[in-house]
Amino acid sequence: QLQLQESGPGLVKPSETLSLTCTVSGGSISRNDYYWGWIRQPPGKGLEWIGTIYYSGSTYYNPSLKSRVTISVDTSKNQFSLKLNSVTATDTAVYYCAHYDSSGYLDYWGQGTLVTVSS
Amino acid sequence: EVVLTQSPATLSLSPGERATLSCKASQSVSGYLAWYQQKPGQAPRLLIYDTSNRATGIPARFSGSGPGTDFTLTISSLEPEDFALYYCQHRSNWHLTFGGGTTVEIK
Repeated sequence: QLQLQESGPGLVKPSETLSLTCTVSGGSISRNDYYWGWIRQPPGKGLEWIGTIYYSGSTYYNPSLKSRVTISVDTSKNQFSLKLNSVTATDTAVYYCAHYDSSGYLDYWGQGTLVTVSS
Repeated sequence: EVVLTQSPATLSLSPGERATLSCKASQSVSGYLAWYQQKPGQAPRLLIYDTSNRATGIPARFSGSGPGTDFTLTISSLEPEDFALYYCQHRSNWHLTFGGGTTVEIK
């Protein structure tokens, strides 16, 4: 059974870059039918898809965030990462990493990590 | 881009009652519609995918339906653990869109 765990700073200053890593255990990140994603949830609000990555490095981003987002994969560490630059207070959220099942839905999720943007 | 509108925002029911949650899409989603359950402090859990298929381990009291642009999640008889927040979600290739959510609370 897959397990995902987010890690990274819980506090980021405005205008700086938010960086998070998702470590996958219980399976190989480079399995050829596995896609991986990042989703966020501002406090008390709904879910927002950030982006998706395949182990080969192919990426798909939310158009509203595309200019600021980079998602990458490190198969040697069984990890994938999120970078969001030029952050503002509106980027404060719980950030989740997740795995897509064969039907293209999110069946395994990390526990989530709260990132606060504040000076 | 598909917009998903969920209603009602809050549903107040008692254990044992039937819950009916709605999700309306702004255009056809070709059946690519899922439902998730989220409890406070937890990640969402996949309940239903491709409109009506239950995910692994999901009890039979959860069912999904819907033609075209109008989708429904039904919980046939609410158990205490079912009081939570529910989201619908559409996928288009690897792009995802979520609805705003419906809270099912204890009356």
